[in-house]
Amino acid sequence: GEDVEQSLFLSVREGDSSVINCTYTDSSSTYLYWYKQEPGAGLQLLTYIFSNMDMKQDQRLTVLLNKKDKHLSLRIADTQTGDSAIYFCAEIMDTGRRALTFGSGTRLQVQP
Amino acid sequence: DTGVSQDPRHKITKRGQNVTFRCDPISEHNRLYWYRQTLGQGPEFLTYFQNEAQLEKSRLLSDRFSAERPKGSFSTLEIQRTEQGDSAMYLCASSRGLQPQHFGDGTRLSIL
Repeated sequence: GEDVEQSLFLSVREGDSSVINCTYTDSSSTYLYWYKQEPGAGLQLLTYIFSNMDMKQDQRLTVLLNKKDKHLSLRIADTQTGDSAIYFCAEIMDTGRRALTFGSGTRLQVQP
Repeated sequence: DTGVSQDPRHKITKRGQNVTFRCDPISEHNRLYWYRQTLGQGPEFLTYFQNEAQLEKSRLLSDRFSAERPKGSFSTLEIQRTEQGDSAMYLCASSRGLQPQHFGDGTRLSIL
């Protein structure tokens, strides 16, 4: 079945690294995504990783994928106050279905 | 690239009324998706189009909901006889084939 889980809340100090975690249950996932949502806005695509990769780095963002444990993480280096938002993990499965399945989101609060 | 555009941003209506939302995808994106997001949750898939063909509908899409994409460009989502439970953010996304989905800022529907 489809199930993506995330912790609800993370608080960090400005300048520290943030690590947001996600677990998924469907081993047929092909692409895994991280989206950012600010209050009252839509979702902004941050990064994505294909299931045959272990890691992807893009500027301050590092995505790690552990396929054995079905665990995905997003690390934000040098976290800034502008990074405060809700972060969603999402997957697309290798069943021909093109819909994204989202977790409930992790609220990141960055303290000055 | 002007991004995905949704109209209106906010809609307030009385229970039992019909509402229609519009989505203009990124130009040349052949796939268009509708999602619904309730407070504190991640978006849930409603339906998607490839060009003008509606290829998948979620079981969340009751008989009161209908979506169209008549010329393979913009799409409309209509809700008939609205109910309190329809209050949510309705998000549209588009993609070029299997590329990542890009979201609009959504239409927030409030039912009085």
